[in-house]
Amino acid sequence: AQTVTQSQPEMSVQEAETVTLSCTYDTSESDYYLFWYKQPPSRQMILVIRQEAYKQQNATENRFSVNFQKAAKSFSLKISDSQLGDAAMYFCAYRAGGTSYGKLTFGQGTILTVHP
Amino acid sequence: GAVVSQHPSRVICKSGTSVKIECRSLDFQATTMFWYRQFPKKSLMLMATSNEGSKATYEQGVEKDKFLINHASLTLSTLTVTSAHPEDSSFYICSAARTGDTQYFGPGTRLTVL
Repeated sequence: AQTVTQSQPEMSVQEAETVTLSCTYDTSESDYYLFWYKQPPSRQMILVIRQEAYKQQNATENRFSVNFQKAAKSFSLKISDSQLGDAAMYFCAYRAGGTSYGKLTFGQGTILTVHP
Repeated sequence: GAVVSQHPSRVICKSGTSVKIECRSLDFQATTMFWYRQFPKKSLMLMATSNEGSKATYEQGVEKDKFLINHASLTLSTLTVTSAHPEDSSFYICSAARTGDTQYFGPGTRLTVL
């Protein structure tokens, strides 16, 4: 079974600084997708970034980028120029590719605090 | 695009009653919808996966007779908590996806059973 591990229960960063959230996963599949979701205090899950395993290039979305190390099964999220609005719980998630129904396996989550 | 709504956002009910939660994909047709349960500061726990027009697939340990899921159309799925008890109090979140696509989440429903 696939597992996703986020080893940092909590992280903090100063406004305008950079922070990296860690995520490792375990799978025997070759075709899969990885995601970072953000859950602010409103509890609305928001997709931050998505990475296809077959793509070597790391995904980026504005201030958010990932470091995808396929061999090491590592998928970290870097937030640059942190803003107060980035404060949230962040979840790393895995989904198998192919014709699966698209079940997501979530990590435990990392609570990010942004200090002004 | 890819907006998912949930109704109600909050519900309080008495023990023994049933509660229905609706999940709608507003601007796309969702071949698959998912129902999650989340405790405070914890991860999402998948309860079941439903495909339009077929029976839901429940995760191990989830009582299918207690958590009834109906996916009647490509834009609507419902979760009914039957004979609710205080231990069913939780935050319930749905998500929707086209086949093989990214899941988009609803805003969640907070259920409190007195």
